[in-house]
Amino acid sequence: ETGVTQTPRHLVMGMTNKKSLKCEQHLGHNAMYWYKQSAKKPLELMFVYSLEERVENNSVPSRFSPECPNSSHLFLHLHTLQPEDSALYLCASSRSWTSAHEQFFGPGTRLTVL
Amino acid sequence: DAKTTQPTSMDCAEGRAANLPCNHSTISGNEYVYWYRQIHSQGPQYIIHGLKNNETNEMASLIITEDRKSSTLILPHATLRDTAVYYCIVNFANAGGTSYGKLTFGQGTILTVHP
Repeated sequence: ETGVTQTPRHLVMGMTNKKSLKCEQHLGHNAMYWYKQSAKKPLELMFVYSLEERVENNSVPSRFSPECPNSSHLFLHLHTLQPEDSALYLCASSRSWTSAHEQFFGPGTRLTVL
Repeated sequence: DAKTTQPTSMDCAEGRAANLPCNHSTISGNEYVYWYRQIHSQGPQYIIHGLKNNETNEMASLIITEDRKSSTLILPHATLRDTAVYYCIVNFANAGGTSYGKLTFGQGTILTVHP
């Protein structure tokens, strides 16, 4: 499989649940990103990882916890979310954090928090 | 990063050129102009980027004005599959051309291509 994949594609969870979103890239890239896209709002950058180290955290609440075990995989662990966290969560990758002219995006996970 | 201004929506007839404008009047000398698009229910897709010179690739052409305060993305022969939200983004790059991947997306332009 090529490109950037995300699982699951759709997720419904209660406010007390714990779930994880998974992203995998098969492009040999060293940088990976999480974005959030809420209804009627622009994409917001949440986290950036470069060579498995977090290099950017855009004031994201602690109920979102990223993990990057290697340069091909990125997770977003979710716990005690709020209904306003319902959104499309997009993962992206680029060759590197400092050579990021082109980011490749996955299809996203549509999250609904009840 | 400099802010961008784009029209909220545009229409284009299939087979005609689609010209999408973007204003970035506060752009600095070390900021690139990027264009991405997002087809409904998909992740964004990179189209093209440029610094000063006009650029062309298999998807589109990017025309940047001499003062760099505005640019136009041109889809030479629009098809129905080009219906999407188009984002114009400016992003910092240092003197060596290193561009950090901190893209700031705006609301974009909704392009609708009609048969």
